[in-house]
Amino acid sequence: AQKITQTQPGMFVQEKEAVTLDCTYDTSDPSYGLFWYKQPSSGEMIFLIYQGSYDQQNATEGRYSLNFQKARKSANLVISASQLGDSAMYFCAMREEADKLIFGTGTRLQVFP
Amino acid sequence: NAGVTQTPKFRVLKTGQSMTLLCAQDMNHEYMYWYRQDPGMGLRLIHYSVGEGTTAKGEVPDGYNVSRLKKQNFLLGLESAAPSQTSVYFCASRNGGATEAFFGQGTRLTVV
Repeated sequence: AQKITQTQPGMFVQEKEAVTLDCTYDTSDPSYGLFWYKQPSSGEMIFLIYQGSYDQQNATEGRYSLNFQKARKSANLVISASQLGDSAMYFCAMREEADKLIFGTGTRLQVFP
Repeated sequence: NAGVTQTPKFRVLKTGQSMTLLCAQDMNHEYMYWYRQDPGMGLRLIHYSVGEGTTAKGEVPDGYNVSRLKKQNFLLGLESAAPSQTSVYFCASRNGGATEAFFGQGTRLTVV
């Protein structure tokens, strides 16, 4: 069974609008962490944001925020005020038992003018 | 700061050949990971290590072996390459409790 599920293979958003990229996870470990990474067409993996399972507040980093709903096991990434440079693949990942770090299949975001 | 360095960046192998990919990190990180990335499949964990001298299987370990003889290095070996192992390979490292994993630049491997 998939432990990290990203159901949106592709998303489009207009410049300056906000967009939400979905991520659901499955774990029985009470202690876990959730990450989002960006992969532009150049191929490098860029860390965006992290949420720990015990963190009370939703994580925010600049224009990125993580909508963490623990009961629903979801960790959606919200990008506010989209920019053309946000066009990329976005991956959700989870650190869980024995410090495995596993990734979802990704969502390709395209920002248009 | 070098961070995480993967060697080589590109390689073409013939079916049945062997090779070793090297991942080196200079951040004294405990945990290291090897992934493969294929279109539509995301990053899949091959093997990982939680410390020097330890290794563990990930999601897709078959056909690969790893070693972590030194804390800073994590080697990924293909004993007999197959076309199905054509992929982009990424190495990553992080410290325990860390909120970020650092990635290498990737190795594009083609097996013909």
